[in-house]
Amino acid sequence: AQSVTQLDSQVPVFEEAPVELRCNYSSSVSVYLFWYVQYPNQGLQLLLKYLSGSTLVKGINGFEAEFNKSQTSFHLRKPSVHISDTAEYFCAVRSTGGGNKLTFGTGTQLKVEL
Amino acid sequence: DSGVTQTPKHLITATGQRVTLRCSPRSGDLSVYWYQQSLDQGLQFLIQYYNGEERAKGNILERFSAQQFPDLHSELNLSSLELGDSALYFCASSGGTPRGTEAFFGQGTRLTVV
Repeated sequence: AQSVTQLDSQVPVFEEAPVELRCNYSSSVSVYLFWYVQYPNQGLQLLLKYLSGSTLVKGINGFEAEFNKSQTSFHLRKPSVHISDTAEYFCAVRSTGGGNKLTFGTGTQLKVEL
Repeated sequence: DSGVTQTPKHLITATGQRVTLRCSPRSGDLSVYWYQQSLDQGLQFLIQYYNGEERAKGNILERFSAQQFPDLHSELNLSSLELGDSALYFCASSGGTPRGTEAFFGQGTRLTVV
């Protein structure tokens, strides 16, 4: 079984400032890692994913994340946020074995202010 | 647009009633997943179907059932509804292969039980 912890339920940040959203996971098996974004009244949109290879992965909208196996973390970063980045961000994992079901964290609400 | 279509977008019904939520996966995707998003439980995996067969089961109540039809669309049936069933229900689809396959989410059906 896997679990995902997103310690920060809300992160306020000023526009053009950098931001990091934290994600830690627990799993007894190898996992794939994902970040999804949910805008108000919308579905979930994939930002980026880590499957294997380079531990730094780049996604859409200028986001990137780094997989750290020793710390079981997959933190999401953006060097300069925009008002339009205001949304809820979910970290998710699934095992690399059979079955594709995702286990989600509780989400982090990113609020970008002027 | 993820290519996953869910209907209806909104549903208001009374306690004790039964409703059916419908999902059309992306063209070519064989797997369909159902998730429930509520304020107290977050995003919870309910059930997965792959090419018409149940593949994995999560925290799905006995009052809930699902199926996937030969044309690969899926329906989630919720019966004897309670106030606590009010939530956003998401459908997602994927190609079903173990590697390199992320889930694409629909816009969700917002169920309100009154």
